[in-house]
Amino acid sequence: QKEVEQDPGPLSVPEGAIVSLNCTYSNSAFQYFMWYRQYSRKGPELLMYTYSSGNKEDGRFTAQVDKSSKYISLFIRDSQPSDSATYLCVPSGSARQLTFGSGTQLTVLP
Amino acid sequence: SQTIHQWPATLVQPVGSPLSLECTVEGTSNPNLYWYRQAAGRGLQLLFYSVGIGQISSEVPQNLSASRPQDRQFILSSKKLLLSDSGFYLCAWSVPAGFQEKLFFGSGTQLSVL
Repeated sequence: QKEVEQDPGPLSVPEGAIVSLNCTYSNSAFQYFMWYRQYSRKGPELLMYTYSSGNKEDGRFTAQVDKSSKYISLFIRDSQPSDSATYLCVPSGSARQLTFGSGTQLTVLP
Repeated sequence: SQTIHQWPATLVQPVGSPLSLECTVEGTSNPNLYWYRQAAGRGLQLLFYSVGIGQISSEVPQNLSASRPQDRQFILSSKKLLLSDSGFYLCAWSVPAGFQEKLFFGSGTQLSVL
C-alpha cells in the first residue's frame, strides 16, 4: 500500500466551479499536512499547511484533515483558469519524512 | 526574503557524459538542502539531503552524487549519465523545524539523456 494516494486525474472543471481534491494516507505517524501546487515545468510551491484535524481556510482555498480516517482534502472555491496546475498532497511525520503524492492534475476551463 | 536559484532550466546530455547541476539559496543561513527527482506523472523522489557543509545523506543508491561546498550551495553530479537519469530535478531548501519543516523549491532542471 502506498503511503499517500491521490487520484491523478486529469480533472477538468468550468471556471467558477468548486473543486474538491482528495488524498488518503496510511501512516498514522503523520502529523503535519501540506498542499503544494505545481505549474507545468515549474517547482512545487507551498499552498497551505495544517497540523490538526478540521478545516483551515485561506482565501478561496480550504484544507480539510480527518486524521481518524486518514483523509485529506483541498477545496477551491470560484475556481479560476490560473488554478490550473497539479496539486500535491504532502503529509509529514518528521524532518525529511515528507511523502509527496503523485498529484492531481487540474484544468479550469474559461 | 529568501530566494533559491537553480540552473540550467533545460539540459540535454548524451549517455556517458558527466553532469553538474547547481543550486544556491539567498537570504537564509544554515538551511537544510535537498535534491529531488520527479519522473513524468509520478511523485517526487528524494535523492539527497544536507544539514550542513560537507554533510550529505543519500536516500537512494544510484549513479548520482551530491556535494555542499558552501553553506548555501548544493551541487548534484554524475560521472557518467545513464538513460534512466532523465527526469525533472528539483533543488529545495528548508529551515530546520522537525515535522513542521516546509520545503521551498527551485524552478527545476529538465534533464534529457539521449
